[in-house]
Order: sequence, then C-alpha cells, then structure tokens
Amino acid sequence: NAGVTQTPKFRILKIGQSMTLQCTQDMNHNYMYWYRQDPGMGLKLIYYSVGAGITDKGEVPNGYNVSRSTTEDFPLRLELAAPSQTSVYFCASSYVAGGRNEQFFGPGTRLTVL
Amino acid sequence: TQLLKQSPQFLSIQEGENLTVYCNSSSVFSSLQWYRQEPGEGPVLLVTVVTGGEVKKLKRLTFQFGDARKDSSLHITAAQPGDTGLYLCAGANAGGTSYGKLTFGQGTILTVHP
Repeated sequence: NAGVTQTPKFRILKIGQSMTLQCTQDMNHNYMYWYRQDPGMGLKLIYYSVGAGITDKGEVPNGYNVSRSTTEDFPLRLELAAPSQTSVYFCASSYVAGGRNEQFFGPGTRLTVL
Repeated sequence: TQLLKQSPQFLSIQEGENLTVYCNSSSVFSSLQWYRQEPGEGPVLLVTVVTGGEVKKLKRLTFQFGDARKDSSLHITAAQPGDTGLYLCAGANAGGTSYGKLTFGQGTILTVHP
C-alpha cells in the first residue's frame, strides 16, 4: 500500500496562475481532507469530503475548489493564485466511524506564489 | 467552535531529560489523537485514546486521556534527539457539525539536543 500520495512535491506559481494539486489514497477510506500549514503553525482545514460526490468547506476555503469523483482521488484546485496561498498543503484520508478519526497524511506539496 | 490549547508551544531540552506536553479544551471529545511531524514530511499518527482516564504507552512515550475526555497529555521519558519534531494533538467528535473533522492543537515544537 502506498497510503496517501501527493503530486507535485514542490511548485512555484506566478500571481494569477492556476494549478491542481493531486491526491490519491489506496486505503478505501471514506473521508478525505485538504489542509494548509503555514510556517510554525498548525493545520488549517481547507475542504473535506465524506465520500465520492460529496464535499464541504472547512475553515479556509476561499480561493480553492475541490471535487471527488472517485473514492481514491481528491484534487485541490487553486484559481488565480495569490501570495497568501504560499504554504505547505497536506492531503489526508481517514475511515471515520463512531468517535474515531485516525487520519493518514501525504508527504505534502510546498507551494510558493510569487 | 471547539478549541484545543496545546502547551508549551516550544520546548528545547537536553538528551535524557523528561518532558510533558499538554492539550486542553473546554469541549468533550469522543477520541483524541497525537501526531508527530518531522521537517518536510506529513504528520504521522502516534496513538489514539478513546476512553476517559485511558493511558497508553509507546516505548518511552506515555499518553493519557483525561477522565472527562476534555484534555490529554504526552509524556516523554529520557528524550532522545530522534524525538525532535512537531507534536500535534487532535480531537474527534462522534456527532454534530464537527463530525468527520478533527480539531487540531497549534502544536509543540520539540528540540532535543545531544
């Protein structure tokens, strides 16, 4: 099992450009998440999905879009990149049942917007 | 809005010392997870505690869930340089609008000097 994979690992964008961060999990988890982590800070939830076809906003959704057409894939789209979106982005997945939510994280995508 | 206050934010100690990290909230959680993150990588799940008063040990790491399931602690005995990293606590809920999402603490950056 590869777990959660993310591509690319690094990316530099110019202001106003767009890109898609890819995330795939092979654990058949129902929930998937996108977080951003700024230097020295904790994790902020951008969007999450409870299953294929169902997504919902997290804490900081502005400037981002997601889709979930399959159980395995959960891409994050950045439209019109801004310097404030410079961050490290983590995708995670979890099998949520009852009171447990043990999330497995990908290695992250380090994004710089200049 | 649920909050998890994690303390201390920074901890710099010598190899062989003991330390404790605290995670406190006014909210009740159905379970609480502890993650460790090394520079340039995603968080990795260390442990989940579910029952009030539960204590779990992972080699030199001891995790405790408060009786009321509102707080948790991580104690490391005889810290080693390999313990260096960012430690995150995260609370999960069995229902309500927070179902399927984790509430993360801000993290504790631990540095263990040889």
